[in-house]
Amino acid sequence: GQNIDQPTEMTATEGAIVQINCTYQTSGFNGLFWYQQHAGEAPTFLSYNVLDGLEEKGRFSSFLSRSKGYSYLLLKELQMKDSASYLCAAFNQAGTALIFGKGTTLSVSS
Amino acid sequence: DTGVSQDPRHKITKRGQNVTFRCDPISEHNRLYWYRQTLGQGPEFLTYFQNEAQLEKSRLLSDRFSAERPKGSFSTLEIQRTEQGDSAMYLCASSSSAGRAYEQYFGPGTRLTVT
Repeated sequence: GQNIDQPTEMTATEGAIVQINCTYQTSGFNGLFWYQQHAGEAPTFLSYNVLDGLEEKGRFSSFLSRSKGYSYLLLKELQMKDSASYLCAAFNQAGTALIFGKGTTLSVSS
Repeated sequence: DTGVSQDPRHKITKRGQNVTFRCDPISEHNRLYWYRQTLGQGPEFLTYFQNEAQLEKSRLLSDRFSAERPKGSFSTLEIQRTEQGDSAMYLCASSSSAGRAYEQYFGPGTRLTVT
């Protein structure tokens, strides 16, 4: 089976750094994704990790440890517009569709 | 590249009615996916097309649901005899089997409310 766990809610202040964790159990592994979803909008792609390590992309970085079934999304220099739901996802066993976690709602305050 | 579009954006229907949603993927994308998302949950996979072939269906896709992609371009998702539990956001996504094949682009969704 496949299971993806992430915290339901997190809060942070503008300018701070926040780390959103995700643990996963998958039948086979074909990559780990992070998507951002603002309320009422479509998910937008943030990152894809298939190898262990940290990948940095501007203010956002994503980390993967395949041996631990663990990933995190790191957001630096938080801005109010970063308030959104952050979805952790992995490919299904066929490597086609995405299996999503429930999402972490991040609230950034001034 | 105009992005993935979905129509309608909102649909209110009475229980027992049939509804049909349309998705137009990014033009050069040969893969198309349907997901369903309820409040406070992540999207749940429903079905997957490569070109016109429906290659994968989730157990969530009961026999009241049918999806087509007749010419390998746009797709439709029909729900027959709607139930209140069908109320959700229906998301369409597309990707290419070439290049960044892992990146799925989502449309704005169709929000269905069954009364």
